[in-house]
Order: sequence, then structure tokens, then C-alpha cells
Amino acid sequence: QVQLQESGPGLVKPSQTLSLTCTVSGGSISSGSYYWSWIRQPAGKGLEWIGRIYTSGSTNYNPSLKSRVTISVDTSKNQFSLKLSSVTAADTAVYYCARETMVRGVIYGMDVWGQGTTVTVSS
Amino acid sequence: QSVLTQPPSASGTPGQRVTISCSGSSSNIGSNYVYWYQQLPGTAPKLLIYRMNQRPSGVPDRFSGSKSGTSASLAISGLRSEDEADYYCAAWDDSLSGYVFGTGTKVTVL
Repeated sequence: QVQLQESGPGLVKPSQTLSLTCTVSGGSISSGSYYWSWIRQPAGKGLEWIGRIYTSGSTNYNPSLKSRVTISVDTSKNQFSLKLSSVTAADTAVYYCARETMVRGVIYGMDVWGQGTTVTVSS
Repeated sequence: QSVLTQPPSASGTPGQRVTISCSGSSSNIGSNYVYWYQQLPGTAPKLLIYRMNQRPSGVPDRFSGSKSGTSASLAISGLRSEDEADYYCAAWDDSLSGYVFGTGTKVTVL
């Protein structure tokens, strides 16, 4: 059974780069047809999709964050990562990683989620 | 920025049927599948409905999804106390080339 675990600094200074890693256990990140996604949720607010990377390496990003976001995969470590540059207080949120399953071209939704990690942007 | 609109709250007594709406546009709900996620307090979201009306293994058949035009709905029949949670719809948006989530609906069991 695949499990995801986010990790990274809980506190980031304004204007710096937020870096998070999602470790995949119970399965290989490079096998099958999966998208690996990042979603965030400010305290007391709704979900915001940040972006995703496919097993092949192709990416899709939220247009409102695209200029600041990079998602990458490290198959040797079975991890994928999020980098968000030039952060401000508005980037303070719980960050989730998730797996999106695709079978024969059909998306089955984000069926596995990490528990989330809180990132605060403050000096 | 939520592109999909949901009512902020919904409620019912145990055993009742509750329906949550999700309003979008032709570029998202109107042309793509809708997904529903349940978020229990203090936990990560959980996939509840995929491809508009399919349930992952383990999700009770009390939960059902439907779509009409640019709107979708989630129905919870036989409401139970453990259904108290926030519910979010989501869909791919062709104009944005990305996912959009709904504003979220908090379901309260009275």
C-alpha cells in the first residue's frame, strides 16, 4: 500500500525559497501511470492545487503560481519535490502531496495523500 | 483562487439526505470529470467520488455524485455523525490547464 510523507522546514523567511519533499513508500515512484501532485491549504481556508509532475517528467502548474513553482522527481530516492520561490506570508499553509492515478488515459483522482506539513512564512 | 462555487454549509439530522452543489463553467465541469473529496477535521482530504459518480473501494454507497451541464452535486443519504466534515469538489480546467477546487462545504450533523 503506497504511502506519502511530506518533509521540509516548518519556517521560511519572506523572499526565500520554500522547499518540500514527498517520500513515496510501498511502491516505486517511476512505475505505473501516476501524477505526483502538490496541494496547499491556508489555515481555515480551502484547497489550492499547486501543480503536478507525471512519471515521464512532464509538469503542469497553477497559472497563479507558475512563475515561482518548480516540481521535480528524484527516482533514485523515490521522492518528488516542491520549490516555491519569493515566498510571502500569503504562502503560509499546510502543504499536501498526493498521488493521482491514471489508467488507460482515464484519471481516477488523487487517491493517496500525505498527512500534510505546515509551513509558516515569517521573519 | 477557487473557480468552483459551493455553499459554505449544509446540515441534516441522522438518516436524512443532504445534497451539496458545485457550480463551475464550460471549461471545467462542463467538459471534464468531477471529483469529490472529504476532509475530516484535522486530517488530509480523502477521495470520495471520481469520474463524477464512481466510488473508490471502501467508500459507502451512501455517497453519490451527479453532473448536469456546468454544475455537479454530491448527495449523502442516510446521514451519519461520522459524515461531519468539509467536502470539496474538483475538476480539471482546460483554460487554466490545471485543477480547480471548490470553495468547500462544511456538513454538520444536527
